[in-house]
Amino acid sequence: DTEVTQTPKHLVMGMTNKKSLKCEQHMGHRAMYWYKQKAKKPPELMFVYSYEKLSINESVPSRFSPECPNSSLLNLHLHALQPEDSALYLCASSHPWTGMETQYFGPGTRLLVL
Amino acid sequence: AQTVTQSQPEMSVQEAETVTLSCTYDTSENNYYLFWYKQPPSRQMILVIRQEAYKQQNATENRFSVNFQKAAKSFSLKISDSQLGDTAMYFCAFMKDSGGSNYKLTFGKGTLLTVNP
Repeated sequence: DTEVTQTPKHLVMGMTNKKSLKCEQHMGHRAMYWYKQKAKKPPELMFVYSYEKLSINESVPSRFSPECPNSSLLNLHLHALQPEDSALYLCASSHPWTGMETQYFGPGTRLLVL
Repeated sequence: AQTVTQSQPEMSVQEAETVTLSCTYDTSENNYYLFWYKQPPSRQMILVIRQEAYKQQNATENRFSVNFQKAAKSFSLKISDSQLGDTAMYFCAFMKDSGGSNYKLTFGKGTLLTVNP
């Protein structure tokens, strides 16, 4: 089973709203990722959690706030976003062990900021 | 820093034919992994195939195979007997082997493949 689930599938929010994206996996992976993807572009890494600790923050603006409550869940809290933040937000997970680092992606949340 | 180059922004192929997508990369690392991911229109990104740099044998997965040339830093994807469902954006990606402590995938810009009936 290589399933990563994400909710919601679509989200429309105003620039003053607060919303959260959710990602879940039950593959026993201990590394989880948030990516941002614009149309016809490759994903851009935002955050990496390893063993529930934030290990990489790719200089993402503070209006994006990640959270990893446990080894299966990853959240991305959104606040005061800008229209240019509209994109597909992908979650991925992997084992953090040598030889098992293949990342498996969720279907994404398509975000529109008005 | 690593870079991944996909020189073909778009390609098309007739159903049942064979197509090859090219990917080159630049790295000073000796141990690393290479991946091809497929992302159909408005659908999930899925792993197509993976290659460990220390393995000389080219990886294969059913109709998908790679031609891995480590010295030339080339990693092309061959799709045999193309099917309509193969229509997708294909991303080549690189990850260095840091003993489980590095998680960064470096992606190419992608090749949009269209399979025509």
